[in-house]
Amino acid sequence: EAQVTQNPRYLITVTGKKLTVTCSQNMNHEYMSWYRQDPGLGLRQIYYSMNVEVTDKGDVPEGYKVSRKEKRNFPLILESPSPNQTSLYFCASSFAGVPYEQYFGPGTRLTVT
Amino acid sequence: QQQVKQSPQSLIVQKGGISIINCAYENTAFDYFPWYQQFPGKGPALLIAIRPDVSEKKEGRFTISFNKSAKQFSLHIMDSQPGDSATYFCAAFLNDYKLSFGAGTTVTVRA
Repeated sequence: EAQVTQNPRYLITVTGKKLTVTCSQNMNHEYMSWYRQDPGLGLRQIYYSMNVEVTDKGDVPEGYKVSRKEKRNFPLILESPSPNQTSLYFCASSFAGVPYEQYFGPGTRLTVT
Repeated sequence: QQQVKQSPQSLIVQKGGISIINCAYENTAFDYFPWYQQFPGKGPALLIAIRPDVSEKKEGRFTISFNKSAKQFSLHIMDSQPGDSATYFCAAFLNDYKLSFGAGTTVTVRA
């Protein structure tokens, strides 16, 4: 089944404790992206990647890191999480030719206390 | 600052009625305007998309109307069904691979 998977689905952590949210897709997509969803703000793009080893900042990159060492994986790293990073996070992927047609993962609910 | 402004925040419609969601943008460099549908507990899924050189696009009961001069576009859901109850996001895509979303509209269709 073609899909984007994220792990973990739920995570509660404390301020300052480094964490990684994994994202993997099995559709051979070149483009991958991370978003956060907050009430009243919709989805905001954090980082995106056009291909392996090519990443760029979205609208809200502060406090986040990403890497793209393999085509199928695009992990999101929070080096020192803070409470304002409590949010619902989505990973998405698409073919480079139709980057607006993105396939989203199921989401990761992160709570930072 | 939200690059795409969406309204209303929520709406309730009777089964068989028409749901209308409106969006506006400022950046004329946007070159694609997709709409995404999100059910509770799920990720968004592409519903329909339109280019700015097209004034209307229809797929089944879903229609996008696009007014380039006014920098506005809207989604019409005809013959709304309870299964259409979801949150709808308009979005705008820049050819530098950035996708900007509106704040979302929660649609509730009453049987």
